[in-house]
Amino acid sequence: DTAVSQTPKYLVTQMGNDKSIKCEQNLGHDTMYWYKQDSKKFLKIMFSYNNKELIINETVPNRFSPKSPDKAHLNLHINSLELGDSAVYFCASSLGERDTQYFGPGTRLTVL
Amino acid sequence: AQSVTQLDSQVPVFEEAPVELRCNYSSSVSVYLFWYVQYPNQGLQLLLKYLSGSTLVKGINGFEAEFNKSQTSFHLRKPSVHISDTAEYFCAVSDPGGYSTLTFGKGTMLLVSP
Repeated sequence: DTAVSQTPKYLVTQMGNDKSIKCEQNLGHDTMYWYKQDSKKFLKIMFSYNNKELIINETVPNRFSPKSPDKAHLNLHINSLELGDSAVYFCASSLGERDTQYFGPGTRLTVL
Repeated sequence: AQSVTQLDSQVPVFEEAPVELRCNYSSSVSVYLFWYVQYPNQGLQLLLKYLSGSTLVKGINGFEAEFNKSQTSFHLRKPSVHISDTAEYFCAVSDPGGYSTLTFGKGTMLLVSP
């Protein structure tokens, strides 16, 4: 009965590779988000989707491409991974654009 | 633009002692305020939120926070902490009139020792 789930939990990969992180929510929410938490635990919004439409795209490199196949899913694809991409990535969802956000458990990405 | 300042990066405290984690924000508009907790190797969990109304907000696990508009603060308090409260605490703000993306502070690590 997990509300917001992410896979994988851990991801270790080489520089230059392409990888994806998947997020699913079973809360019936319309809005989903991706946040990045760096090594100093600072959390910053990357993207926000409402009803499968991109509504927020912070200053994130083009190598990052979110994809929302339906309202319950928001996946994050990263091309040409760099060392600086190493972080914990959190998915979140909310009922609407101004409602409380519920976070997934995070995906720890390590780029070697 | 909004910003959040958490003045203490780390707060050590003994078990059963009271604790206050400080949070100040800056915004040119009215705000929604949140406290989230992150236990080791886990995601974020909402502790409490202020949207409007009473300035004293009660949350889960015995925590409460008080919204002070004149001081632009939203400090988190607990009268008696437990070892299990050891975690990272994040204060966050969002704009009620815009999209609800959260702007987070840098977090405060609460370390409770016996």
